[in-house]
Amino acid sequence: GQQVMQIPQYQHVQEGEDFTTYCNSSTTLSNIQWYKQRPGGHPVFLIQLVKSGEVKKQKRLTFQFGEAKKNSSLHITATQTTDVGTYFCAFLAYSGAGSYQLTFGKGTKLSVIP
Amino acid sequence: DTGVSQNPRHKITKRGQNVTFRCDPISEHNRLYWYRQTLGQGPEFLTYFQNEAQLEKSRLLSDRFSAERPKGSFSTLEIQRTEQGDSAMYLCASSLRDKSYNEQFFGPGTRLTVL
Repeated sequence: GQQVMQIPQYQHVQEGEDFTTYCNSSTTLSNIQWYKQRPGGHPVFLIQLVKSGEVKKQKRLTFQFGEAKKNSSLHITATQTTDVGTYFCAFLAYSGAGSYQLTFGKGTKLSVIP
Repeated sequence: DTGVSQNPRHKITKRGQNVTFRCDPISEHNRLYWYRQTLGQGPEFLTYFQNEAQLEKSRLLSDRFSAERPKGSFSTLEIQRTEQGDSAMYLCASSLRDKSYNEQFFGPGTRLTVL
């Protein structure tokens, strides 16, 4: 079935540095969602992208969906300690009979050194 | 609190025992999902309900797992004859069907430890 690969698996940055995580698929995706999971917490929805080449911004976070809809990225400008957590990309696929299944990548764990 | 709630938050059991978890979704949400998450991995889809109908079940899901959503509100996930490999965080999520793409709201999860 369809899968997404995320790189890097881990990222350690100094507070104030930028951070980028990438999500790649071998097949075309109809959408990409991004979730953040704080240590000990549960995934929290950040955004959904559906259009080719789409770019969306949320304060210091910039999300992109590739032109071929096979990759996506999340970029954080000037990281803060509150950005610590694991960032997952996921895609929602229609699996028949009115059913949708969300498939997650393995995530990128971000550590921010104060 | 109007978020997704799950009970219990932690469960420790001995191998071979049965366990049952409960999920209460956001009240107006008609879609409910169960996921399993192990350390260092993303949530793995287990099953999906639309109202009371179970529309999708992962092929990876053992016959020892069963889920219900009897009145289209809360849901239960039962694991029979637990094995050590069942140890994981079990997450429930809900969403509202008003279009194809919906954000899912996750509960805090139930952490299962099988000894």
